[in-house]
Amino acid sequence: SQTIHQWPATLVQPVGSPLSLECTVEGTSNPNLYWYRQAAGRGLQLLFYSVGIGQISSEVPQNLSASRPQDRQFILSSKKLLLSDSGFYLCAWSVILGGRDGYTFGSGTRLTVV
Amino acid sequence: GNSVTQMEGPVTLSEEAFLTINCTYTATGYPSLFWYVQYPGEGLQLLLKATKADDKGSNKGFEATYRKETTSFHLEKGSVQVSDSAVYFCALHSGGGADGLTFGKGTHLIIQP
Repeated sequence: SQTIHQWPATLVQPVGSPLSLECTVEGTSNPNLYWYRQAAGRGLQLLFYSVGIGQISSEVPQNLSASRPQDRQFILSSKKLLLSDSGFYLCAWSVILGGRDGYTFGSGTRLTVV
Repeated sequence: GNSVTQMEGPVTLSEEAFLTINCTYTATGYPSLFWYVQYPGEGLQLLLKATKADDKGSNKGFEATYRKETTSFHLEKGSVQVSDSAVYFCALHSGGGADGLTFGKGTHLIIQP
């Protein structure tokens, strides 16, 4: 069966520090991968998606970047965190690009920038 | 563009009460509709879905019917439990591309014993 792992679960980082969040998928090949952010009191915002190794598309301009070094690994990074980067970050995958078949989400990382 | 509107809550009910969470949408074409649930401290889980008009999605006692005439996909459950306390997201998929999934802002449901 397919599973998705995301870590760490919680993170407190000072402003200006770097960030690296990792997401891995098991039990499937060539998944479409996504990073979403859920800010307090808001819905979900799509940040990045990837259709394959090394292929990253950004949906919104921001202080973050993403990479896909392996087929089932998706990394969210920042060189210098801002206070506004605080939020709940969710990794997801789908078979069909765009989620017409539904997304499978990871358990999320709660990031607090102080 | 596409949009999903749902009550934000919190919605507070007593155990065994009847639940309705309203969801209406605006979309081009014929979208697929979803309800996701997020339990405290966790990621989102797909609860149910419907892919065409008049379809009824159901899971874990929850139901939602795709109503094209009213552009709605209201979530219902006949008798809620404390364990149903969570945030519920209505979402739609319309068109191609990675940004095809549009989420509502979520409805926080609190069930009191």
